[in-house]
Amino acid sequence: DTAVSQTPKYLVTQMGNDKSIKCEQNLGHDTMYWYKQDSKKFLKIMFSYNNKELIINETVPNRFSPKSPDKAHLNLHINSLELGDSAVYFCASSQRTSGTDTQYFGPGTRLTVL
Amino acid sequence: DAKTTQPPSMDCAEGRAANLPCNHSTISGNEYVYWYRQIHSQGPQYIIHGLKNNETNEMASLIITEDRKSSTLILPHATLRDTAVYYCIVRLVGGSNYKLTFGKGTLLTVNP
Repeated sequence: DTAVSQTPKYLVTQMGNDKSIKCEQNLGHDTMYWYKQDSKKFLKIMFSYNNKELIINETVPNRFSPKSPDKAHLNLHINSLELGDSAVYFCASSQRTSGTDTQYFGPGTRLTVL
Repeated sequence: DAKTTQPPSMDCAEGRAANLPCNHSTISGNEYVYWYRQIHSQGPQYIIHGLKNNETNEMASLIITEDRKSSTLILPHATLRDTAVYYCIVRLVGGSNYKLTFGKGTLLTVNP
């Protein structure tokens, strides 16, 4: 039983295309996140949603648009893909009311823009 | 969130204890110490966290110094599968702080 799942695992596409990455968590958590890990292996937060409400937007280009249809899902849509968008994208979730708010991560989606 | 300093790499023999240090000299009283690891090509995995007291779970032990300015993650019997990048993160929990700020971490290599 995968707690945080992402699809697809790999995504290869051309510059200028629009693509989406999906994330689902079955932990009953109220907060979900998107992180980006670039080629230098730095992990940085992009977005956070709490109860379907956007909480964090870390100066991410507006070509990136997260969408949370419900508390268990947080999808990431990327318009007009650029070479620099190539990275591994990780989804995570946590329960904000748990006190320690431990985040659990998905397996990642490796995006390659050609 | 307070800044952390970790050695870039460490080696450990299989079956021995791995002790990973972390300095966080600017930690404030209500900031927690979290440890995550990332095995190659996988998502970060939560290991353990603590505030003041030492903590132990099925994966590891966390030793926090009395002044809270440093901590050590202990993997009691390292296996080859423990080879990973280990991240020490200090963060305030609750309020408006939602994110984990990852540094460069320590690459632990467990050798046969």
